[in-house]
Amino acid sequence: AQSVTQPDIHITVSEGASLELRCNYSYGATPYLFWYVQSPGQGLQLLLKYFSGDTLVQGIKGFEAEFKRSQSSFNLRKPSVHWSDAAEYFCAVAPGNYGQNFVFGPGTRLSVLP
Amino acid sequence: NAGVTQTPKFQVLKTGQSMTLQCAQDMNHEYMSWYRQDPGMGLRLIHYSVGAGITDQGEVPNGYNVSRSTTEDFPLRLLSAAPSQTSVYFCASTLTGTGGSPLHFGNGTRLTVT
Repeated sequence: AQSVTQPDIHITVSEGASLELRCNYSYGATPYLFWYVQSPGQGLQLLLKYFSGDTLVQGIKGFEAEFKRSQSSFNLRKPSVHWSDAAEYFCAVAPGNYGQNFVFGPGTRLSVLP
Repeated sequence: NAGVTQTPKFQVLKTGQSMTLQCAQDMNHEYMSWYRQDPGMGLRLIHYSVGAGITDQGEVPNGYNVSRSTTEDFPLRLLSAAPSQTSVYFCASTLTGTGGSPLHFGNGTRLTVT
């Protein structure tokens, strides 16, 4: 069965510092990979997605993620964090077949210090 | 373009009461789904539908019913509310047959069962 792990429950960084959020998945083939962000009281917003091709993908708000097949990882990065990036971040996988049942990780909560 | 609309935003129920959470999308998406979000557990799939007249169970279907009479609407019914159903519920939709289409989320319904 597919699964997604996000090893860090909560991360705190200073504004302007770099950020890396970890995501590992378990799936028989290369899945479709996504990162979502959830601000307090809001729904989930798509940050970026990986289907195939270039393993470094760019998303909105200055985020990027790198797919590493050998490590079954899809880590999210940002070179300089802004206070408005404080939110919860979810990694998700989807098999891409008919039905599109996504599997989400437990989330990583990001706090940003001024 | 409204996207995915959920109502109500907040709801308090007593144990044993029933209610329906409404979800509507205006993007002509075939696939619709309901998730519940609980702290530390990410999003768990309750029920999903790949088109009008077709529904299926997800990971945590017990205590919930769904129907899909139109492409646009996918209501979630709680038959007899229990405190364990206290959660935040999200409706999401996407295209089917198109590998890797991202899920589009509503803003959620926060349900408390006392």
